[in-house]
Formats: sequence, C-alpha cells, structure tokens
Amino acid sequence: KAGVTQTPRYLIKTRGQQVTLSCSPISGHRSVSWYQQTPGQGLQFLFEYFSETQRNKGNFPGRFSGRQFSNSRSEMNVSTLELGDSALYLCASSRDQTNTGELFFGEGSRLTVL
Amino acid sequence: GDSVTQMEGPVTLSEEAFLTINCTYTATGYPSLFWYVQYPGEGLQLLLKATKADDKGSNKGFEATYRKETTSFHLEKGSVQVSDSAVYFCALKSGGSQGNLIFGKGTKLSVKP
Repeated sequence: KAGVTQTPRYLIKTRGQQVTLSCSPISGHRSVSWYQQTPGQGLQFLFEYFSETQRNKGNFPGRFSGRQFSNSRSEMNVSTLELGDSALYLCASSRDQTNTGELFFGEGSRLTVL
Repeated sequence: GDSVTQMEGPVTLSEEAFLTINCTYTATGYPSLFWYVQYPGEGLQLLLKATKADDKGSNKGFEATYRKETTSFHLEKGSVQVSDSAVYFCALKSGGSQGNLIFGKGTKLSVKP
C-alpha cells in the first residue's frame, strides 16, 4: 500500500514568488492535514481538509492557502514568499471522519526561500 | 491555549540503556495523547497513543502512561537499540473533530553501539 506522497521533495524559491505543494494521501484516506516544521517553531498546524472541505485552520496568514480535490489529493499554496517561510512542509492523511489524531505523514517538501 | 512541553535534547545513550523522555501537557478537557517518531529522512510515524487517563500506550518496546494528575505522558523503553535513533515528538489532540494535533518541540535520541 503506497504511503503519503508529497511533491516536489525539494525546491528553492526567491522572496515574492509563490509556490504550490502537492500531496497524495494513502488510498481510501479522505482527510489531509498540512504542517510546517522549522527548527525554531517545531511543528505547526496549517490546515486540514476532509471531503474537499476545510475542517480546521491554524494560525497562519492568508498567504497560506490550500484545497482538496474530489480524489482526496491536496495542494497548498504560499504566495508572496518570505524568508521565514523556509521550512519542511509535511502532509498527513487519515481515513477517519472523527479525526482521532492518528495521522500518516509523508516525507515532506523542503522549501528554501532565498 | 493547549500546549506540550518536552525535555530538551539531544539525548545520547549507549545500546541497552534505559530511556525516558519527559512530556507534560496543558489542555482543557480530556485530550488524547500521542508519541510520534521521525527517523532520519522520513516523515513522522505514530509510535503509540492513549485516549484517557491511566491508559498505557505501547509499541515496539516503548511505553507511555497517561497521567492526568501530573498532566504527563513520559515515553520509556527498557533497552534501546541503535535503530531507535530518531526524533521523538509528544503530541496532544483535543477539540473533537475540529481539533488538530499540537506537538512538542521534539527530542533527538542518539543511541551508540
């Protein structure tokens, strides 16, 4: 059974640009969550989607957005990139509707902003 | 708001040593508690969980007990192996279906042969 797949794995952007990251959940999983991981702040929750609807949102500025498609694949977008957006972006999927907290994580997309 | 505090790392142990990684939490209500592990170059994996007070989660020789009176969920293993070298994250979840995981900062464990 394939795990959570994130693309691209690594990318470099410059300030002011925008970036789109993609996540394919485990087959049958309908919930997708996104987290930002940095050395200073650790893991911080961005948002969660279930059946194409945003179910929960973290405390990030509006430059961070996401969506989920009918096949449960998800994308997140960061516009007007800042140096502080450099991080590992982790996607996680879950099969359950009740959101038990049992998540399956991908290996992440490492974004460097220059 | 809810939060998780973990002991600072890194932690370096010899093979077969006893491991304890401390975790305490602050939360309203009765959260579920988790330990996730991140091996080098990989995503996080759920190691164990507990959903109510006095529950003990266990997996791969690791254990943690949900202690409501001390708001703690310390991770223990009796005899660590080199393959246990990883970063360990304590996390909590409250708020039902609207809640998200809140993670501690992580503790890096290195086990030497």
